[in-house]
Amino acid sequence: KNQVEQSPQSLIILEGKNCTLQCNYTVSPFSNLRWYKQDTGRGPVSLTIMTFSENTKSNGRYTATLDADTKQSSLHITASQLSDSASYICVVKRLGNEKLTFGTGTRLTIIP
Amino acid sequence: DVKVTQSSRYLVKRTGEKVFLECVQDMDHENMFWYRQDPGLGLRLIYFSYDVKMKEKGDIPEGYSVSREKKERFSLILESASTNQTSMYLCASSWDTSGQPQHFGDGTRLSIL
Repeated sequence: KNQVEQSPQSLIILEGKNCTLQCNYTVSPFSNLRWYKQDTGRGPVSLTIMTFSENTKSNGRYTATLDADTKQSSLHITASQLSDSASYICVVKRLGNEKLTFGTGTRLTIIP
Repeated sequence: DVKVTQSSRYLVKRTGEKVFLECVQDMDHENMFWYRQDPGLGLRLIYFSYDVKMKEKGDIPEGYSVSREKKERFSLILESASTNQTSMYLCASSWDTSGQPQHFGDGTRLSIL
């Protein structure tokens, strides 16, 4: 069964600290992986999308990595800010049938 | 900026009612999607549309229907609302052929009493 597992479920860190969110998947064959940020009461916003050949991609203070061999991705947030408080959702697309599998997200809280 | 607008942020309806959720996008996108989001389950695709008057079932279409009479508007219809349809509903759109939503609306939190 194609699955996407995210960890941790929730995370609380101090403002200014770094953190890393994990996404492990079993979706096969793999097409791409996308990270979304979802603020409370808002729709998800795409942060980055990674294809099979990409290992690292940055978007400001957000850096996503992908290891297609181990089927793992991470999202690293540098120098966290209060506005980073949100849910982060990992989505993997299966090659061929275009099907998307969503993770249940990591709830990140930044405290001053 | 692309804007996907859902007509209601909060909606309360009664069991058995016919419920309409409206979504409008302003960027001439071909593809539009309806998802529901429940705690611990992630987003699940209800229906999507890749052109006017075209629709495809997603993973959980039972109890729902959709309408796309104009390119910019995609409506989700709960034929006879039930309490298990209480959820957050998210509309999305995209321009490419990948089948992936690129821009989401801010959601409609629907409660069925």
